[in-house]
Amino acid sequence: DAGVIQSPRHEVTEMGQEVTLRCKPISGHDYLFWYRQTMMRGLELLIYFNNNVPIDDSGMPEDRFSAKMPNASFSTLKIQPSEPRDSAVYFCASTTFNYGYTFGSGTRLTVV
Amino acid sequence: GENVEQHPSTLSVQEGDSAVIKCTYSDSASNYFPWYKQELGKRPQLIIDIRSNVGEKKDQRIAVTLNKTAKHFSLHITETQPEDSAVYFCAATYNFNKFYFGSGTKLNVKP
Repeated sequence: DAGVIQSPRHEVTEMGQEVTLRCKPISGHDYLFWYRQTMMRGLELLIYFNNNVPIDDSGMPEDRFSAKMPNASFSTLKIQPSEPRDSAVYFCASTTFNYGYTFGSGTRLTVV
Repeated sequence: GENVEQHPSTLSVQEGDSAVIKCTYSDSASNYFPWYKQELGKRPQLIIDIRSNVGEKKDQRIAVTLNKTAKHFSLHITETQPEDSAVYFCAATYNFNKFYFGSGTKLNVKP
């Protein structure tokens, strides 16, 4: 298996622009998570899905953030409009019951 | 919800020495405790885990111990090598979906 695949690896965008991050979980994994990592806050859980259904989005910082999982093999995290404070590394992770997470390689987002 | 605290935040050891990182958790229902290693610029990777029905687990130079009564678990790295330098995260979960992470320990192994 290729693991959890995220794209793009790096994204530089101007404040106010829309940003879309993409994730393909490991086949057969029924949980998918979006995390944000910064030096100040560490790993923050933004939202997670079970069988494509959002279960807990209490970590989504504001209405500017939204996430979807239209099918078992694809998820997106969208920020609209983006702000400089959104700059971080965004990780997607997937798992199934009784196992630890497998993280993707992350997307380094820079909003200027 | 669960609260995981991790100590120390930074740890510097000489190559060949041992390193110990400790985590405490608050929810006695937590039953799975993984450890992740994150090298600079890379993804966190699972290095070892322990379930609540086991007190200790070893994998070559790394081991994890769990004290359910005291609600703490520790990562032990023996004979440290420079390539062990990284940030280590502990985590806890009681339902294998939402994992609660510690704040991380930056380990520096000096050659």
